[in-house]
Order: sequence, then structure tokens, then C-alpha cells
Amino acid sequence: QQPVQSPQAVILREGEDAVINCSSSKALYSVHWYRQKHGEAPVFLMILLKGGEQKGHEKISASFNEKKQQSSLYLTASQLSYSGTYFCGTGEDRDDKIIFGKGTRLHILP
Amino acid sequence: NAGVTQTPKFRVLKTGQSMTLLCAQDMNHEYMYWYRQDPGMGLRLIHYSVGEGTTAKGEVPDGYNVSRLKKQNFLLGLESAAPSQTSVYFCASSSRTFSGNTIYFGEGSWLTVV
Repeated sequence: QQPVQSPQAVILREGEDAVINCSSSKALYSVHWYRQKHGEAPVFLMILLKGGEQKGHEKISASFNEKKQQSSLYLTASQLSYSGTYFCGTGEDRDDKIIFGKGTRLHILP
Repeated sequence: NAGVTQTPKFRVLKTGQSMTLLCAQDMNHEYMYWYRQDPGMGLRLIHYSVGEGTTAKGEVPDGYNVSRLKKQNFLLGLESAAPSQTSVYFCASSSRTFSGNTIYFGEGSWLTVV
């Protein structure tokens, strides 16, 4: 079952912050975050594993609340290069397949 | 280092024709996957493989077959193409476990069925 992402789309001005949410109806072991530019392949951002951890990658960070079966991706002081579609993928256990959500389209205006 | 390579990149098929998409990875990864991407639907898993000689169904397997005869290759076949199979297809691979390991995607194959 696909995880649910929200919002579906967001428009920001350069320098503003954004939060993208990912939720599942099932208990999760892992959450994967990817960004895809138009016409290109998805690119890895980060993986969060069971344990409620938080990770950071430059000005992009994420949290994983396993009890709520939710993850959030935080984009701080957004840059034009952050534009694209963000996907979360979830796995229910260590060796489970990864199922992706429908994506969140992010557009950054100068 | 090529990573994950898909061929062909673009293809137009007539309804009822058959074709095979080839995926090759040079990272010695155990796991390989085929996803399809349609507008507003995200990435949907078609089939996957956890090792040479093994395959399993994903979310949307109907109308597709796969084979993993060699560790580095994962083939996706359409026996009788239908317009509903018009999509962008992404092959991907990862190390032994799905979770906790980065999934690397190929550049995609654009398939149009008329």
C-alpha cells in the first residue's frame, strides 16, 4: 500500500522553508527520501531506519516517528535547485520491498 | 562507473507487439527492481528480484514478466503491449537488503504504446 504524501504540491520563494510529510497505515522499518527533476531519474537524499532517528543533509533534514508511522522532510532556506518532485518510499521490515508515494511537487520561485 | 543502465531509452510499440527492456548494473548489487512512473501516480513497483534466479511480484505486475538469469541483468518483458502500459520505466538496484541501503535508479525508458 502506497504511503500518503502531503502536500501534493507547494510553491515557495527562495529562502523560505518547507515541510513534506509521509505517512503509512502500517508499521514501518524504514523511510527513504528521493528527489526527481523533470525528465531525470530519482536521486537519493536519505534513509531513516526504525528507532525514531533524525538525519540531516546540508539544509535538508528528516525525521522518522515509527510510533506514528510518519516521516517528515524539512527543507530549510530553500534554494532554486531544490525544485522538483520529492518521493518517500517505505519498507515494513529489513528485507521488505520499498513502496513509493505519489510524490510532492516543489517549485521554488526566485 | 556506469551504475544502472537501461536500454532502450525510447520505444514506440503498436498494441499487441512484444518487447523486452534490459537493465544492467555494475555495482554487484543483489537486489534489482522495475518501477513504472505515470503522471500523478508516483513510482509503482512492477517486479523485483532479491538475487540471481529469483523474482517476485510488486504492486502492479499484471501484463509484465521478468527474468534474472545473471546477477547483473534484470529483464522486463511485455508479451502483448497495451496502451495502458504507456509509461516511463525505471530500473533500480541496491545492496543485499532493501532497507538501510540506497536504491540506485537508471535513467529511465520511455515507452509509448499506440
